[in-house]
Amino acid sequence: GAGVSQSPRYKVAKRGQDVALRCDPISGHVSLFWYQQALGQGPEFLTYFQNEAQLDKSGLPSDRFFAERPEGSVSTLKIQRTQQEDSAVYLCASRQGSFQETQYFGPGTRLLVL
Amino acid sequence: GESVGLHLPTLSVQEGDNSIINCAYSNSASDYFIWYKQESGKGPQFIIDIRSNMDKRQGQRVTVLLNKTVKHLSLQIAATQPGDSAVYFCACDSGGGADGLTFGKGTHLIIQP
Repeated sequence: GAGVSQSPRYKVAKRGQDVALRCDPISGHVSLFWYQQALGQGPEFLTYFQNEAQLDKSGLPSDRFFAERPEGSVSTLKIQRTQQEDSAVYLCASRQGSFQETQYFGPGTRLLVL
Repeated sequence: GESVGLHLPTLSVQEGDNSIINCAYSNSASDYFIWYKQESGKGPQFIIDIRSNMDKRQGQRVTVLLNKTVKHLSLQIAATQPGDSAVYFCACDSGGGADGLTFGKGTHLIIQP
């Protein structure tokens, strides 16, 4: 079956532009996560959805970052007024259930802010 | 604070040898631990996980060991193959109900022919 997919795979933005990153989780997966991975580092947690409810957004670095999952399936991570420090790979993961199960990752969106 | 770290940034082993990648974590409340493999340009790929009520779990060519007393986790890969070359991350939950994982910085495993 299909895994987690993300689009676009690469995005170049000028500083100050808004960007929207899309995640299509594995069909039927209840939980969805966003992570940010800087070059040479491990992924860092941004936010977590259970169905359409955003249960944890403690990892979002600023109020320029906003995530939504309105119908409990596809999710969008939006970054407003991008800055150079936002350059990173943004990873989406989904999980079938709601507790201590495997998180399956997508290929990521590589964002470069110039 | 919570941190997850790996002892060595790079590990080089001969093809066919066994490899061991180590990880230390600081949050004693963590009770779910995972190893991921990440190849260049790809997302992390699940390898194996273990819960705190176990100290050892085996998969195909891989074994994870958990020592909660010293907060240490290791991944053993048997008979390494060229396809095992990648960055390996350990990750753990916070144990407090939050579901986001905390990842270590990663170990780059290089398989020498």
